[in-house]
Amino acid sequence: KNQVEQSPQSLIILEGKNCTLQCNYTVSPFSNLRWYKQDTGRGPVSLTIMTFSENTKSNGRYTATLDADTKQSSLHITASQLSDSASYICVVSASTNAGKSTFGDGTTLTVKP
Amino acid sequence: GAVVSQHPSRVICKSGTSVKIECRSLDFQATTMFWYRQFPKKSLMLMATSNEGSKATYEQGVEKDKFLINHASLTLSTLTVTSAHPEDSSFYICSASKQGYGYEQYFGPGTRLTVT
Repeated sequence: KNQVEQSPQSLIILEGKNCTLQCNYTVSPFSNLRWYKQDTGRGPVSLTIMTFSENTKSNGRYTATLDADTKQSSLHITASQLSDSASYICVVSASTNAGKSTFGDGTTLTVKP
Repeated sequence: GAVVSQHPSRVICKSGTSVKIECRSLDFQATTMFWYRQFPKKSLMLMATSNEGSKATYEQGVEKDKFLINHASLTLSTLTVTSAHPEDSSFYICSASKQGYGYEQYFGPGTRLTVT
């Protein structure tokens, strides 16, 4: 069964600090992995998308890594800002089964001043 | 580019009535559109997938007669919640993909449905 597990479930950090969110998956065969940011009461917004051959991708202060061998990904946020407070969702798609996407439950990040 | 809109953003309806939610891709043609439901503090739950001009594919446990999906064009999909009940109250989000399954999805801002 395809699964995506994210950790931690929630995280509180001080403004200006860095943090790393984890995503482990069992989706196979792998097609791509995407990280989304979802503000409360809003739809998710794409941060990064990575395919099998990519192991790092950055989008401003967000850097995602992918280890396809261990089926792990991380999202690193540097110099956090109050506006980074949101839920971060990891989504993994398979290259079969019509490319079905499996969603993680998300990590809720709170950045405090 | 790749903007998806939803209308309405919030709707309150009485139990037993039907409500329609529109999802539009504003600056691209969407091969596939997806409808999700999200409960508080939970991730998105896929309800159905629709391709333009064909019937929607519903996920297991989702009642197709209750959640009617129409994908009339490459830029518009609608979700109609029929005979709504309070347990249908939820946050409904659509997404659209340029390339179809498994590729980048662009999400709408969501619709908060409250059934009284």
